[in-house]
Amino acid sequence: AAGVIQSPRHLIKEKRETATLKCYPIPRHDTVYWYQQGPGQDPQFLISFYEKMQSDKGSIPDRFSAQQFSDYHSELNMSSLELGDSALYFCASSLGARPPEQYFGPGTRLTVT
Amino acid sequence: QKEVEQDPGPLSVPEGAIVSLNCTYSNSAFQYFMWYRQYSRKGPELLMYTYSSGNKEDGRFTAQVDKSSKYISLFIRDSQPSDSATYLCAMSASGNQFYFGTGTSLTVIP
Repeated sequence: AAGVIQSPRHLIKEKRETATLKCYPIPRHDTVYWYQQGPGQDPQFLISFYEKMQSDKGSIPDRFSAQQFSDYHSELNMSSLELGDSALYFCASSLGARPPEQYFGPGTRLTVT
Repeated sequence: QKEVEQDPGPLSVPEGAIVSLNCTYSNSAFQYFMWYRQYSRKGPELLMYTYSSGNKEDGRFTAQVDKSSKYISLFIRDSQPSDSATYLCAMSASGNQFYFGTGTSLTVIP
């Protein structure tokens, strides 16, 4: 079965640079969630989109923005990168805006040097 | 104080043992309760979820929710080495924004 696809899988950036992470949800899933997981930490919810509209917002820094496109894929844009942004970024998708069944992608590991 | 508290372990058990994993929470509005399994360098994989209180069983896994005590559990029967992973509980009031525990690292020794 098709799963959530994230690209790139690994990304190395320098401080103050910009990064764009992409997420392709499971086919027919219309809701996308972004999480940040620091080393040894639990996933922290950043933001979610349902039908291309922002549906919920968590602890996403102002330096980050995200959107969901007409084909339901989503992009997380991160500017003025800081060392503390180094983490595993997960995207999850679900069918509908309110179900608990979120299916996670493999993650993008971002390293800021 | 975190919304969700989970003992990080590590937990080490012999093959065939019954494993009990637990989380407590403080937000009485939570009504969706999930358990995820995460292997190293992989995304969390949904194991089970329950809505409101009660028990749910799926094969060797049983999830229990006690809303009066704000306490949830995951039991694994006849544990296998392939069950070795980090187990994360997650909760939500709306079914949208999830709050995760820190995860319990489990090792099942053959």
